Amino acid sequence: LAKTTQPISMDSYEGQEVNITCSHNNIATNDYITWYQQFPSQGPRFIIQGYKTKVTNEVASLFIPADRKSSTLSLPRVSLSDTAVYYCLVGGLSGGYNKLIFGAGTRLAVHP
Amino acid sequence: GAVVSQHPSWVICKSGTSVKIECRSLDFQATTMFWYRQFPKQSLMLMATSNEGSKATYEQGVEKDKFLINHASLTLSTLTVTSAHPEDSSFYICSAQLALGQETQYFGPGTRLLVL
Repeated sequence: LAKTTQPISMDSYEGQEVNITCSHNNIATNDYITWYQQFPSQGPRFIIQGYKTKVTNEVASLFIPADRKSSTLSLPRVSLSDTAVYYCLVGGLSGGYNKLIFGAGTRLAVHP
Repeated sequence: GAVVSQHPSWVICKSGTSVKIECRSLDFQATTMFWYRQFPKQSLMLMATSNEGSKATYEQGVEKDKFLINHASLTLSTLTVTSAHPEDSSFYICSAQLALGQETQYFGPGTRLLVL
């Protein structure tokens, strides 16, 4: 059973900022939050990972409140090529490795 | 960095034959690799966890004799679908953990299997 809940789908337009929120009420102390992007017939691509507060890289930002029960992936100024499925996963190390269980993901459609 | 490859990218086979899929970490050593299966319009389903030099750990409902996993080196894991049937047709994806004690996984491009 997936540990996360995300909106099934979202729509946006080119140039807009998109925020996808993920709920993970039962996140464990050693769990990290990771977001992946997947295009059809491709493997998921790592976007960003964080533990708490805010993380930013060249493609996205990840906002995590103090209670860590949710997180928000922020994509600045999306383009048509950002149309994809976005997965939020939580997981931590157990026995030295991190087993990820995928939920349904959010299908983002970016329109011209 | 952190590139994972899979071979072949797609394969078509006859029912009853076996198919081997390779997963390689190209620029890092992966002590742990994972195998997933994805059906159309669905999410990824974890099949098994593969640790170098030891037996794979299979998820509930995944037949270990059907899906043979070998992780003989720190850069290579293989998944063999034995006696494949049309219901095994799917998109198979592997991932590799960056290092022991690291949470990040990087995924391969996937292998499309079609069993006729």
